[in-house]
Amino acid sequence: NAGVTQTPKFRILKIGQSMTLQCTQDMNHNYMYWYRQDPGMGLKLIYYSVGAGITDKGEVPNGYNVSRSTTEDFPLRLELAAPSQTSVYFCASSYDEVPNIQYFGAGTRLSVL
Amino acid sequence: RKEVEQDPGPFNVPEGATVAFNCTYSNSASQSFFWYRQDCRKEPKLLMSVYSSGNEDGRFTAQLNRASQYISLLIRDSKLSDSATYLCVVKILTGGGNKLTFGTGTQLKVEL
Repeated sequence: NAGVTQTPKFRILKIGQSMTLQCTQDMNHNYMYWYRQDPGMGLKLIYYSVGAGITDKGEVPNGYNVSRSTTEDFPLRLELAAPSQTSVYFCASSYDEVPNIQYFGAGTRLSVL
Repeated sequence: RKEVEQDPGPFNVPEGATVAFNCTYSNSASQSFFWYRQDCRKEPKLLMSVYSSGNEDGRFTAQLNRASQYISLLIRDSKLSDSATYLCVVKILTGGGNKLTFGTGTQLKVEL
């Protein structure tokens, strides 16, 4: 049972490069989320999706884009990487909004140098 | 004031000890409460939901105090494997839908 799968696990980018963080879930969850976690900080919501074709901004969306063409996949795009985007990125999914128990992927550690 | 506040610790306790963490939240409209566990360099995982009447799961007990706006987690008979960061999570219904707010976590180190 794979759950939520994120790729890659690690990545180093140069300033200005772009990349896509992949996230896929096999639990048929409607709700999917992207968070970033900086050292000593709580998880911050970047974008979320309540179903295929529907996405919305979270708390810290600037510098990121998402799409949700299928129920399973929710990729996160960084267009012009900046050092401030160095972080650990977690994708999560949940079956519903109540109670909204979220299942997380293993994370992607990104460094922008 | 932060929406969800936790003492970052670390709490260093001997094996077998009882330890308790508190978490305060600022929004009285908060609806649901959870404790997640996060091991070093791993993803958060749900430990337990927190119900209004309090609930217990083995060695773990969670309590909610709506009047004082805090939740607590009690761990009895601590094991080495309990060493982790415990995240307090609060769900609030906003105009944009449900919002989960994560605390920064309390670090627990259980020692021999």
